[in-house]
Amino acid sequence: DAGVIQSPRHEVTEMGQEVTLRCKPISGHDYLFWYRQTMMRGLELLIYFNNNVPIDDSGMPEDRFSAKMPNASFSTLKIQPSEPRDSAVYFCASTVGGSMEKLFFGSGTQLSVL
Amino acid sequence: AQSVTQLDSQVPVFEEAPVELRCNYSSSVSVYLFWYVQYPNQGLQLLLKYLSGSTLVKGINGFEAEFNKSQTSFHLRKPSVHISDTAEYFCAVSSPWAAGNKLTFGGGTRVLVKP
Repeated sequence: DAGVIQSPRHEVTEMGQEVTLRCKPISGHDYLFWYRQTMMRGLELLIYFNNNVPIDDSGMPEDRFSAKMPNASFSTLKIQPSEPRDSAVYFCASTVGGSMEKLFFGSGTQLSVL
Repeated sequence: AQSVTQLDSQVPVFEEAPVELRCNYSSSVSVYLFWYVQYPNQGLQLLLKYLSGSTLVKGINGFEAEFNKSQTSFHLRKPSVHISDTAEYFCAVSSPWAAGNKLTFGGGTRVLVKP
């Protein structure tokens, strides 16, 4: 298996633009997580899905952030409009049966909002 | 609620010297514990995990960690580091018996191995 695949690897955009980050979980995994990593706040859980349904979005910073999982093999995290403080590395991770001991991370998307 | 504290934000160490990274956690229920490593510009990779059983856990790349329930700690050690161990290390905790099992991370410890 190719692992968790995220795209793009790097994204540079201007303040106010819409940004869409993409994630393909490992085939057969039914849980998908989105994390954000910043120097100030470390690794934060934004939202997670089980069987394509959002279970906990309490970590989503504000209404500018939205996440979807239209099918078992694809998820998006969208920021609209983007702001400089959204600059961070965004990680996607997936696992099976909710087992944290089998959680696999993607390589992340480095987002820079100018 | 659960939380993780990594007491050192940066640890400089000379090559072939030992290193210990400290991690303390807080949780009202039993937990699983993890150490992840993040090499520059890469994602997180699992180093080792404690689920149950022996409190001394061995992981990849010569790392080991010891779970101490009374001190709520899970310190990571390596007896002799290499330049390639330069990375950021994250301690994490999950509560599989709690509703909404999630992974909570510490703030990370940057290890810089000097020749």
